[in-house]
Amino acid sequence: DGGITQSPKYLFRKEGQNVTLSCEQNLNHDAMYWYRQDPGQGLRLIYYSQIVNDFQKGDIAEGYSVSREKKESFPLTVTSAQKNPTAFYLCASTIIGGSGNQPQHFGDGTRLSIL
Amino acid sequence: GENVEQHPSTLSVQEGDSAVIKCTYSDSASNYFPWYKQELGKGPQLIIDIRSNVGEKKDQRIAVTLNKTAKHFSLHITETQPEDSAVYFCAASSSGGGADGLTFGKGTHLIIQP
Repeated sequence: DGGITQSPKYLFRKEGQNVTLSCEQNLNHDAMYWYRQDPGQGLRLIYYSQIVNDFQKGDIAEGYSVSREKKESFPLTVTSAQKNPTAFYLCASTIIGGSGNQPQHFGDGTRLSIL
Repeated sequence: GENVEQHPSTLSVQEGDSAVIKCTYSDSASNYFPWYKQELGKGPQLIIDIRSNVGEKKDQRIAVTLNKTAKHFSLHITETQPEDSAVYFCAASSSGGGADGLTFGKGTHLIIQP
């Protein structure tokens, strides 16, 4: 089945440690996104990429880094500089262009907690 | 940047009744407004979206209305069923399908009472 796969589903980080969250899509979508969701809050954009080897900061990029070496993959690294990393992280993707941009579709998220 | 306000934060309705969730946005350049449903522990799922060149869109029991002048849009669910219980998010974007990312409201927890 086509879709967006996020792994792992749960992740624990020690103080001062970097962790990387995986996001893979087999939908042949052009653009990929990372959002952060906190309890009782909406989703906030961290980073996005519309093409391989290019990405842009979203509203809350500080303490995070990304790469886009392949069209289907968009890993997110939560660095030790992110002081409050406990959250639910969601990856999304979409097609760009053609007869009209298509909506974003989401994976099922990774829940990151601090030990 | 864009700011999206969503109300109410919690909505409880009797099964079979209608539910209405309202959102306002600040950026007059926004032209795409999706609605997502999120169940516990899952990612959001798109349920309906509307672009700024139309005022209303309907899909079975779900409808969305858009008032560009007032900068607000609403989700209407009729004949509610227990499986409609979830958290609903509105969002806005100034790029067609949200190519530059979406700005979300804080969500509405919809509870369907049997």
